[in-house]
Amino acid sequence: QAGLTQPPSVSKGLRQTATLTCTGDSNNVGNQGAAWLQQHQGHPPKLLSYSNNNRPSGISERFSASRSGNTASLTITGLQPEDEADYYCSAWDSSLSARVFGGGTKLTVL
Amino acid sequence: EVQLVESGGGLVKPGGSLSLSCAASGFTFSSAWMTWVRQAPGKGLEWLGHIKRKTDGGTTDYAAPVKGRFTISRDDSKNTLYLQMTNLKTEDTAVYYCATGSGGDRWGQGTLVTVSS
Repeated sequence: QAGLTQPPSVSKGLRQTATLTCTGDSNNVGNQGAAWLQQHQGHPPKLLSYSNNNRPSGISERFSASRSGNTASLTITGLQPEDEADYYCSAWDSSLSARVFGGGTKLTVL
Repeated sequence: EVQLVESGGGLVKPGGSLSLSCAASGFTFSSAWMTWVRQAPGKGLEWLGHIKRKTDGGTTDYAAPVKGRFTISRDDSKNTLYLQMTNLKTEDTAVYYCATGSGGDRWGQGTLVTVSS
């Protein structure tokens, strides 16, 4: 089953800005947009953003999502130690009639 | 407060069957699409399938690796989501999560399924 492509790891310094990417194709990210989830070790995922840049209530404005063509991005500003986590993107794939996930990006805050 | 509590996980032999439940509270369950996602040890998230609310037809969609082996159902009178798994393989070993919506708006804590002889 085809999935979305995310870089395995990203490292950034405290208070810096990190941009995580998620590449799909015209059947998923390019068509339906992407959702972003954050998962801390040992915990279930938490939704950060859906339909490209809609944040559920309670999610910090430091998290913002966007899309350009078949690539979705999650930008985290003012990095904090608690932002260190795994980040997953997902999108509905109209050709598969299934939701696909990226492999996840491990964000390290130095 | 939205709460999702999965149960039914455990150890099962290859070729065996297992049924998971997800008890929901804190929202109008009958109005929600519901999803199952799993995560193998040390691996990423894998979407398994979802079930639409009855007003949207109550139909299901499944990921290719589990289609024909896994069945998602719901009982709106009990606010409960189910995942029936058959012909289990060792690669089905994972934490199984239920979540609201198709994209996973709110998640349960998960239940561990181990498939091993």
